[in-house]
Amino acid sequence: DTGVSQNPRHKITKRGQNVTFRCDPISEHNRLYWYRQTLGQGPEFLTYFQNEAQLEKSRLLSDRFSAERPKGSFSTLEIQRTEQGDSAMYLCATAAGGNSGNTIYFGEGSWLTVV
Amino acid sequence: ELKVEQNPLFLSMQEGKNYTIYCNYSTTSDRLYWYRQDPGKSLESLFVLLSNGAVKQEGRLMASLDTKARLSTLHITAAVHDLSATYFCAVDSSGSARQLTFGSGTQLTVLP
Repeated sequence: DTGVSQNPRHKITKRGQNVTFRCDPISEHNRLYWYRQTLGQGPEFLTYFQNEAQLEKSRLLSDRFSAERPKGSFSTLEIQRTEQGDSAMYLCATAAGGNSGNTIYFGEGSWLTVV
Repeated sequence: ELKVEQNPLFLSMQEGKNYTIYCNYSTTSDRLYWYRQDPGKSLESLFVLLSNGAVKQEGRLMASLDTKARLSTLHITAAVHDLSATYFCAVDSSGSARQLTFGSGTQLTVLP
């Protein structure tokens, strides 16, 4: 357990429904990332926050995806109008700021199945 | 666009043997990360390499970085079954760790 907490761990939803995932970072980690991983592939970058500011966002990210990090603590990732292709594991990762060479710690992930 | 290629993608090796996993990337970067992932689990950080020539070792694993060749290696010494997992390298494509680009992973199976 790295200390990065993600909820829910598993979510099954019907196509067209909205889902929201939450990430609670390690205390005082001001850098927060969201990645998506499908079976047999490496994680794919979605977005990056430094404190409450969203500083990077993948060009591949559909406008159905939105992420927030109010107050620079926990973060949420919402997927609207889910599609079967959204089925994946959604990973949150955090790191301490200041030195960009710090270790980036991943949470246990949130599995999404869209039926 | 940064491309990160790992090889081999699949590796079966016997206990006690040595082997190397390679990670090539297509654009300049001097920060590279290695992670381990067990089936159904998240990613465990193994190494962070921050400069050309960096070498880090932990137990039976040793990682190195050659930024001029755009190559990192993960060397396994005297493999044991517990090392069976998928290993990923990830390259910092932003220069400030804002975005990592991962390889496809190397699935390692250590046979008794």
